[in-house]
Amino acid sequence: DSGVTQTPKHLITATGQRVTLRCSPRSGDLSVYWYQQSLDQGLQFLIQYYNGEERAKGNILERFSAQQFPDLHSELNLSSLELGDSALYFCASSDNGDRGRGEKLFFGSGTQLSVL
Amino acid sequence: AQRVTQPEKLLSVFKGAPVELKCNYSYSGSPELFWYVQYSRQRLQLLLRHISRESIKGFTADLNKGETSFHLKKPFAQEEDSAMYYCALYRSGNTPLVFGKGTRLSVIA
Repeated sequence: DSGVTQTPKHLITATGQRVTLRCSPRSGDLSVYWYQQSLDQGLQFLIQYYNGEERAKGNILERFSAQQFPDLHSELNLSSLELGDSALYFCASSDNGDRGRGEKLFFGSGTQLSVL
Repeated sequence: AQRVTQPEKLLSVFKGAPVELKCNYSYSGSPELFWYVQYSRQRLQLLLRHISRESIKGFTADLNKGETSFHLKKPFAQEEDSAMYYCALYRSGNTPLVFGKGTRLSVIA
């Protein structure tokens, strides 16, 4: 168990709908990352938050947004869903304690999103 | 742009055979490279990082800056090594890891 909790594990919804994915990082970790995993694209970085503030942005669509709350949990909001948004969405956290030496990420078990 | 390339989507080997999972990167600075592994029904987890120069579960990886490669090797594959393997690149500063598209290793008994 990595200590990173993601809910829900599975989500089935229809095109055009909006969903929220939730992530609780490991205790003490200030950074939260969101990744999208698909068969074609592998693991794509979406966005990173550090202590409540957006730190880095990757291939995140405008229909998607995220935030990190004061208690450090994070939510990823996906709106106007399309069939192509079906994927496994991972959250990861790190403590940034090893600055400059690279980061070891601790991953959650993911949320499997199916858009029908 | 920084890129991580894993040329093989799927690699099948027989139990006891040597394994090499390829990873090439493009980055003009001083990289840090990682291998992450995802076993069936388990979450993605760190396997090894090049700065540690360690061997984990019999796997090793050497950073070759001349060839910009960080191939993952194991002399004798085991069935329990079957998993999805991702190579990842860390750039300088507080930037997120860049992952390759992954290679699925299947070890056949």
